[in-house]
This record gives sequence, C-alpha cells and structure tokens, in this order.
Amino acid sequence: AQSVTQLGSHVSVSEGALVLLRCNYSSSVPPYLFWYVQYPNQGLQLLLKYTSAATLVKGINGFEAEFKKSETSFHLTKPSAHMSDAAEYFCAVRRNAGGTSYGKLTFGQGTILTVHP
Amino acid sequence: DAGVTQSPTHLIKTRGQQVTLRCSPISGHKSVSWYQQVLGQGPQFIFQYYEKEERGRGNFPDRFSARQFPNYSSELNVNALLLGDSALYLCASSAGWGNQPQHFGDGTRLSIL
Repeated sequence: AQSVTQLGSHVSVSEGALVLLRCNYSSSVPPYLFWYVQYPNQGLQLLLKYTSAATLVKGINGFEAEFKKSETSFHLTKPSAHMSDAAEYFCAVRRNAGGTSYGKLTFGQGTILTVHP
Repeated sequence: DAGVTQSPTHLIKTRGQQVTLRCSPISGHKSVSWYQQVLGQGPQFIFQYYEKEERGRGNFPDRFSARQFPNYSSELNVNALLLGDSALYLCASSAGWGNQPQHFGDGTRLSIL
C-alpha cells in the first residue's frame, strides 16, 4: 500500500520568502511522485512530477522538488514566494509498475499556503 | 485545446436520490479517472477507465458506478445518496494507461440535503 503525509496543514510566508512544503511517502515499490496545486473552486493543476529520472525536478511557476529515497521525502520549494502562489498544494504518489489500479493517485491531506505582503 | 470538462458544475440532491456526473477528457486522451474530494481532505480515488474497460477501483461502496463511452467520455453514477456523499467530484484524463500525467477538470460540487 502507498501513502503520503504532508507535514503542516497550513504554511504562512511573506512575499519574497522561501516556500518549503513537506511531503513524505510510503511505498513498497519505487514510486512516481507528483505535486499538484488547487486554487479555490478549481480542479488540480500539475506542478511537477518525479518518474525515476533526475532526482531534482523543476516544475512550473518556479517550483522545484527533490526526491530523497533515503528520507522517503519529496519536498516542494520555491526560492521567492509571490502573492499568486497562495493556494492549496497536494503531494501524490503512484505505483511505477503495472497491475490493477496502476493509474491510481494517492494524495496527501494538502497544505494551504498563505502569502503575506 | 480544451481541457477536461465536467458537468454540471454544481448539483443539489436529497438523500436517497441518484445522480449522474459527466466528464469529457482532453482530445486524444483514452483514460479517465474519478476522484472524490471531501472538504478539507485530499482527493480519494474512485475509478479508472482505459479504452472503455475498468482498470482500477477504489474503496467505495457498490452505490458508486461508472462507465466510459466509445468517444472516451465518462459518467459517474451514485445511487441512494447519503449526506456523506457531499463532495467535489473530480475527473482526470491521461493519454494512456502508463506513465502519463493526469490532467484534472474543475469538478462537480455535489451537495446532499
């Protein structure tokens, strides 16, 4: 079974400050990992994905994440927060092998990011 | 190109009723997945369909069912609605069965009175 834990349901930063959103995963097989962003009353937008290539993954809007197998982590960072980054962020894991429910994404509980001027 | 489209955007039903939600995938995408997102939680996997066949099912009761049509659009049906079924229902499409990212629609907000 796979699971995702996002540490911190709410994170607050000042505009221009570093953004760090934490994600730890549990998986019995090597996983694929994803970060999605959700703005109010909208669906999920893919920020970036890790699919066993480079461990440092760059995504859209200046976000990046680093896969650390030894720490079972996939934390999301952005050097300088912008007001438009305020949203809810979800980390998700998926099996990287076939079988039933191969395409199933397992999501964390989400982290709400607030950006103060 | 149009993204994943879902209809209706909002729906209000009463307990015991039945509901059908619809999803049109991105053009060329053959896989559709359904997720339930209860307020304050992450999305939970309900079903995945690829080439009109069910390829995965989450831990949901038999009141939940789905199907995929020859044009790859999909419907999610929920019977005997309960108050706990109130949620945002998200549809996601991907190009194939394997290592392709899933693209989400804006969802259908279902409220049960």
